[in-house]
Amino acid sequence: LAKTTQPISMDSYEGQEVNITCSHNNIATNDYITWYQQFPSQGPRFIIQGYKTKVTNEVASLFIPADRKSSTLSLPRVSLSDTAVYYCLVGPLAGTYKYIFGTGTRLKVLA
Amino acid sequence: GAGVSQSPSNKVTEKGKDVELRCDPISGHTALYWYRQRLGQGLEFLIYFQGNSAPDKSGLPSDRFSAERTGESVSTLTIQRTQQEDSAVYLCASTPDRGVTEAFFGQGTRLTVV
Repeated sequence: LAKTTQPISMDSYEGQEVNITCSHNNIATNDYITWYQQFPSQGPRFIIQGYKTKVTNEVASLFIPADRKSSTLSLPRVSLSDTAVYYCLVGPLAGTYKYIFGTGTRLKVLA
Repeated sequence: GAGVSQSPSNKVTEKGKDVELRCDPISGHTALYWYRQRLGQGLEFLIYFQGNSAPDKSGLPSDRFSAERTGESVSTLTIQRTQQEDSAVYLCASTPDRGVTEAFFGQGTRLTVV
């Protein structure tokens, strides 16, 4: 399993763009990068997944450089409701994969 | 069902009693996971079922913990002789297939051992 490293916590203000970077130096060729969001008292929910370059959806963007040894989750114009823990995971889409969550990044959005 | 369902949502039990937690995965999902999350902590992997394969029990913290799943349906997590350190939210997730496909989580069971 590719190990991931994220900052433990981040603070931001409403309306700012937030970028959370995840390091995964030993990512394998067939691994994808997936991010989850967990609000207090809820289970995590999938927000975005990518393999290379850039992926964008209605919630976030995911930037992956050519070497794929890191990735950056970008949340545009955060609001108080984006306060959550964000988890980065790396693994293959096929084959046996065990969902192991790291400690995640605790994002606190301030007014 | 529409999503992963867990029951009960809350459980208070006395130290030393056994508890059983239930997870109904999304129909057709072959993989099912149990996690434990203590207050303010990350998700701690407990056990993983994939289809009819032998479960991966590598995360179970002690022999007081066990889980079963019949085929690709309901799973139960049993904690025997509960201890106060077992107090946590127990989360269940299911995925459609192998690999890092999207995992869908239930709302969890909040277990309090008094």
